[in-house]
Amino acid sequence: NAGVTQTPKFQVLKTGQSMTLQCAQDMNHNSMYWYRQDPGMGLRLIYYSASEGTTDKGEVPNGYNVSRLNKREFSLRLESAAPSQTSVYFCASSRGAGVDTGELFFGEGSRLTVL
Amino acid sequence: KQEVTQIPAALSVPEGENLVLNCSFTDSAIYNLQWFRQDPGKGLTSLLLIQSSQREQTSGRLNASLDKSSGRSTLYIAASQPGDSATYLCAVKADSSYKLIFGSGTRLLVRP
Repeated sequence: NAGVTQTPKFQVLKTGQSMTLQCAQDMNHNSMYWYRQDPGMGLRLIYYSASEGTTDKGEVPNGYNVSRLNKREFSLRLESAAPSQTSVYFCASSRGAGVDTGELFFGEGSRLTVL
Repeated sequence: KQEVTQIPAALSVPEGENLVLNCSFTDSAIYNLQWFRQDPGKGLTSLLLIQSSQREQTSGRLNASLDKSSGRSTLYIAASQPGDSATYLCAVKADSSYKLIFGSGTRLLVRP
């Protein structure tokens, strides 16, 4: 029972490099999310997708792009990485959409370091 | 703007003790509140979801209560075990948005 799967689990980048974090869920959920978690800042929403082809900016979207490829997959792209993007990134999904999303289920996280 | 606070930031108790974790929020217009557990280096695991119309939810040794009018939720853990050691986070959803606002968590250590 995989749930929410994120890849890669660890990544080190140099400033200016680009990369894509992949996320897939096998629970037939409608909504998917990308969060970042930083010490002292808690969890902050980067982007949200209520369905395939739709995305919405969260609290901290600058420097990121997302793509909801299909119902299962939601990717997060850093076009030109900056040290401020060093963080742990979590993908999450939930069955519902809009206000009534229901429980959120999280992946194991992707630890990104930008030098 | 909704703010979610969890106090204390850290808590250490001996095994077997019953304990309460606190979560406060500033705007009572919430849709639901969710409690999560996070183990070091891991993702968040959902523990309990309480809808705004509910007063409490129970799962095994866990009981979460919600008092919207006072802006408070508590997570009660009965007969604590070393395996309960983790960070516990609460998150609140406003009744007009999909967004969850997270507290910064309480780090719990249960000593054998």
